[in-house]
Amino acid sequence: ILNVEQSPQSLHVQEGDSTNFTCSFPSSNFYALHWYRWETAKSPEALFVMTLNGDEKKKGRISATLNTKEGYSYLYIKGSQPEDSATYLCAFLKQGGKLIFGQGTELSVKP
Amino acid sequence: GAVVSQHPSWVICKSGTSVKIECRSLDFQATTMFWYRQFPKQSLMLMATSNEGSKATYEQGVEKDKFLINHASLTLSTLTVTSAHPEDSSFYICSARDLTSYGYTFGSGTRLTVV
Repeated sequence: ILNVEQSPQSLHVQEGDSTNFTCSFPSSNFYALHWYRWETAKSPEALFVMTLNGDEKKKGRISATLNTKEGYSYLYIKGSQPEDSATYLCAFLKQGGKLIFGQGTELSVKP
Repeated sequence: GAVVSQHPSWVICKSGTSVKIECRSLDFQATTMFWYRQFPKQSLMLMATSNEGSKATYEQGVEKDKFLINHASLTLSTLTVTSAHPEDSSFYICSARDLTSYGYTFGSGTRLTVV
């Protein structure tokens, strides 16, 4: 059974705080790791597709790192804003193009 | 960017009836569509993979006769929950893979409640 674990399950921060969460995945047969941002009643929005060990990607105040040897990825948000409130999902891409999702980290940013 | 339109966004049906959920790719050709189900506090669980013009491939434990998937065109895939029961109440969401970009685009999901 292929497990993708995310922690923490939920996070409450104040506006301006920086935060980070973790995604752990199997270190064998790695193809890619996806990060999504999912707001209520909307479609999950792709943030990053990480493919190479040591990858670091950035999109505005959000960045992500990847360690395929030990099987983890971190997502960082610098200076959180209320509009960052959402559920952040990671997904491990396995052979055949199937995405295996973690449970998500629910982020709430208070003004 | 790529958009997948999923309908309906929510539906309530009686036990024993069937419900059809549609996913359309609006500006790209989705040769492969994935269907997921999510129960409360759990992750998105892959139910099946459908390729245009061929039979869907179901994940272990998913009843293919209960969850009928049709992917007859490059822009439309449907999931029909047949003879629905209260335990089928869940959140269903589709994802389409765009081969030109290798990206995955999701619909906005369907909340099914069977009473």
